Amino acid sequence: QTVVTQEPSLTVSPGGTVTLTCASSTGAVTSGYYPNWFQQKPGQAPRALIYSTSNKHSWTPARFSGSLLGGKAALTLSGVQPEDEAEYYCLLYYGGAQEGVFGGGTKLTVL
Amino acid sequence: EVQLVQSGAEVKKPGESLKISCKGSGYSFTSYWIGWVRQMPGKGLEWMGIIYPGDSDTRYSPSFQGQVTISADKSISTAYLQWSSLKASDTAMYYCVRLHLVGAVIDYWGQGTLVTVSS
Repeated sequence: QTVVTQEPSLTVSPGGTVTLTCASSTGAVTSGYYPNWFQQKPGQAPRALIYSTSNKHSWTPARFSGSLLGGKAALTLSGVQPEDEAEYYCLLYYGGAQEGVFGGGTKLTVL
Repeated sequence: EVQLVQSGAEVKKPGESLKISCKGSGYSFTSYWIGWVRQMPGKGLEWMGIIYPGDSDTRYSPSFQGQVTISADKSISTAYLQWSSLKASDTAMYYCVRLHLVGAVIDYWGQGTLVTVSS
């Protein structure tokens, strides 16, 4: 069974920069896994931020960016705002199995 | 405006059946896949399966194969998730999502349907 791993928690200061990562138990994450990133605040449905590694939706703030870093998918927040405190989930798509697998989520604290 | 509107919260007993819905609007319902995602209380997101309303092509995650049924009625732009015999462990929030399978892009989410199974 494929496992997608994220940092359980990270803390960042307002105005700072933080990178969240997303690893696959099958090996290096490539663009072929079409990494997606989502933000979920307490009591709300998740919101899509990034698709296909680095593409932003029309509503995604400019301070969010996606990339591949050291064999993992990465989400970088630059100039973090207090409202960025949330849970962040990545999704990798395994085309051969035709299914997606979510990471366990990273709880980001802005302190 | 693209919207996915889900049916309301449900409280059921173990062994009962249930069908929840997700109605799409503001786009061509038959041109995108619809996926279902489970979130158990205090836990992360889990991919359950997807359906293409255009031809009802359906694909399940191995973890959910045989446990649920995904279907769609394109005439009313609605996708469904159903159980024939609920268990307490089915208690969760269920979200539908719009998915472009090429590029695996999830863009829009429904507001969620809370299913509570308790005796």
